[in-house]
Amino acid sequence: QKEVEQNSGPLSVPEGAIASLNCTYSDRVSQSFFWYRQYSGKSPELIMSIYSNGDKEDGRFTAQLNKASQYVSLLIRDSQPSDSATYLCAGSGGSNYKLTFGKGTLLTVNP
Amino acid sequence: NAGVTQTPKFQVLKTGQSMTLQCAQDMNHNSMYWYRQDPGMGLRLIYYSASEGTTDKGEVPNGYNVSRLNKREFSLRLESAAPSQTSVYFCASQRGGTYNEQFFGPGTRLTVL
Repeated sequence: QKEVEQNSGPLSVPEGAIASLNCTYSDRVSQSFFWYRQYSGKSPELIMSIYSNGDKEDGRFTAQLNKASQYVSLLIRDSQPSDSATYLCAGSGGSNYKLTFGKGTLLTVNP
Repeated sequence: NAGVTQTPKFQVLKTGQSMTLQCAQDMNHNSMYWYRQDPGMGLRLIYYSASEGTTDKGEVPNGYNVSRLNKREFSLRLESAAPSQTSVYFCASQRGGTYNEQFFGPGTRLTVL
């Protein structure tokens, strides 16, 4: 199993819908998790971090972590065309705190 | 507070030329990283520096060298550029310890002809 895997997409949702992005991970990256948003031609921007089981909400974004099932997800409520971007999932584990990134999921929100 | 800065933004090299990519952070972070991003390959770690005075290889270190000049600055050097090194290069910094979010610079788009 790859250390961090994302559903490859692309994902297309209508404006106002909920976009759901998912990520699974291996035992090697089981401590902390992060979601980054990357617009085309730009650098990754941190939007959420989650360290413990359960949900974490920040505005329209909710990160969910389930360590028993080894998955982490990002929900975007009331999706806007400005949310159209590639979303990267990242995890870290062990003592060196390096991040391992998934390959990303391209989200398109259609007006 | 500029965060993470990188220079240059764009560069075109001929095969065999050398160059150094510069990265600086003003967040007093301990760890710094160099990644490359290629279509379909995601972000791949080239080298990292967990703290001032230390550097370690990442996933794809061949053809690169790094220098952690001080706590703020971490440079990436291509000694003899090859077309396979055409990519977008990102520098990132991380506070370290239990706070391991990484923050990225704007990137350098490098083309090797």
